[in-house]
Amino acid sequence: GAVVSQHPSRVICKSGTSVKIECRSLDFQATTMFWYRQFPKKSLMLMATSNEGSKATYEQGVEKDKFLINHASLTLSTLTVTSAHPEDSSFYICSASRGTRIETQYFGPGTRLLVL
Amino acid sequence: GEDVEQSLFLSVREGDSSVINCTYTDSSSTYLYWYKQEPGAGLQLLTYIFSNMDMKQDQRLTVLLNKKDKHLSLRIADTQTGDSAIYFCAEDGAGNNRKLIWGLGTSLAVNP
Repeated sequence: GAVVSQHPSRVICKSGTSVKIECRSLDFQATTMFWYRQFPKKSLMLMATSNEGSKATYEQGVEKDKFLINHASLTLSTLTVTSAHPEDSSFYICSASRGTRIETQYFGPGTRLLVL
Repeated sequence: GEDVEQSLFLSVREGDSSVINCTYTDSSSTYLYWYKQEPGAGLQLLTYIFSNMDMKQDQRLTVLLNKKDKHLSLRIADTQTGDSAIYFCAEDGAGNNRKLIWGLGTSLAVNP
């Protein structure tokens, strides 16, 4: 149990286009989902926290208009990278939480984004 | 400040023990965690330790915590090739509403 999927697993896009990444909790309802970004040889950086039915809370320095998050249901959250640029190329990871404790966070396999 | 440090690489022979070290800076962290990341798979929580404990053992995994030195280690006994992965330590800061502070990750290579 506690499986989280992400789609797509990797995507290549042209500069200026928008890319949507989906995060789904397959066998549980997630009240909260988290979006992370992982740079090579860097630690995971929390970008935002989203709760179903409400606006996402963004971490300091993360542009909410650039990284649009929608948490439309208890099993789906989406991250849209708008007007992507090469510096947005990264590994994006989501996690879904089915409780209030960190141990109840389950991570997706990540999405590799390359912007040309 | 918030900073979690790990060595980047570790190479061991199959059957040996692996010890992955981590230092952290936030003494108010309640729990410290070890995660495993394999290619194509999500980060997997391996184990965690409450900050008032100094040791936790779970099958082949032993976590040691030296709170005075803010040093955390993960020992994997009888390391197998399937243990090859990146291992992250993380702390929860000051009970920071599920926000984890992550290390850079240690890449463990297990040689047959």
